[in-house]
Amino acid sequence: AQKITQTQPGMFVQEKEAVTLDCTYDTSDPSYGLFWYKQPSSGEMIFLIYQGSYDQQNATEGRYSLNFQKARKSANLVISASQLGDSAMYFCAMREDTGRRALTFGSGTRLQVQP
Amino acid sequence: GAGVSQSPSNKVTEKGKDVELRCDPISGHTALYWYRQSLGQGLEFLIYFQGNSAPDKSGLPSDRFSAERTGGSVSTLTIQRTQQEDSAVYLCASSLSPKAYEQYFGPGTRLTVT
Repeated sequence: AQKITQTQPGMFVQEKEAVTLDCTYDTSDPSYGLFWYKQPSSGEMIFLIYQGSYDQQNATEGRYSLNFQKARKSANLVISASQLGDSAMYFCAMREDTGRRALTFGSGTRLQVQP
Repeated sequence: GAGVSQSPSNKVTEKGKDVELRCDPISGHTALYWYRQSLGQGLEFLIYFQGNSAPDKSGLPSDRFSAERTGGSVSTLTIQRTQQEDSAVYLCASSLSPKAYEQYFGPGTRLTVT
């Protein structure tokens, strides 16, 4: 069974600094995708970044990058140059390509950016 | 273009009543997903539709929960005889196809069972 673990319930970061949000996963499927979503206080789920299990390079999207370490089964999100608007809940998720099409989510990390 | 929409945005109901939650996916998206988010928790998968069929209902927590999708578009999630533990935000997502990796989420319906 697939499982996502986020061990940081809450994180603080100073504005303009970088922050890493941890995510580990467990799956027996060789083909899978890893995702990060942002959920502001308004409640909507905003897709940030995707990494396929066979992708050779770490995914990047603007200030977001995914530090993918396949052997360690980790998929940490790095946010560079934090902004006040980055304050939100962040969820790591996974989908096995040959199994269920739905996403399995971690419990989330609440990030607070301080001025 | 229009995103995923859900209605109502908020629903307060008495224990034991039935409720219907509606999801309008993005036009042309064949895959549709329902998730539930309890307070302070991550999202929990409920059911997945491909077109009008539901190949994966494994996340429905009890037989009080059912869902349908008509015309390959609108979906309705029905909860019968609601219980207080059903209180949560119910989120709908759609994707262009089952293989498409990006799921677009609606704003959710906040259900409160009193």
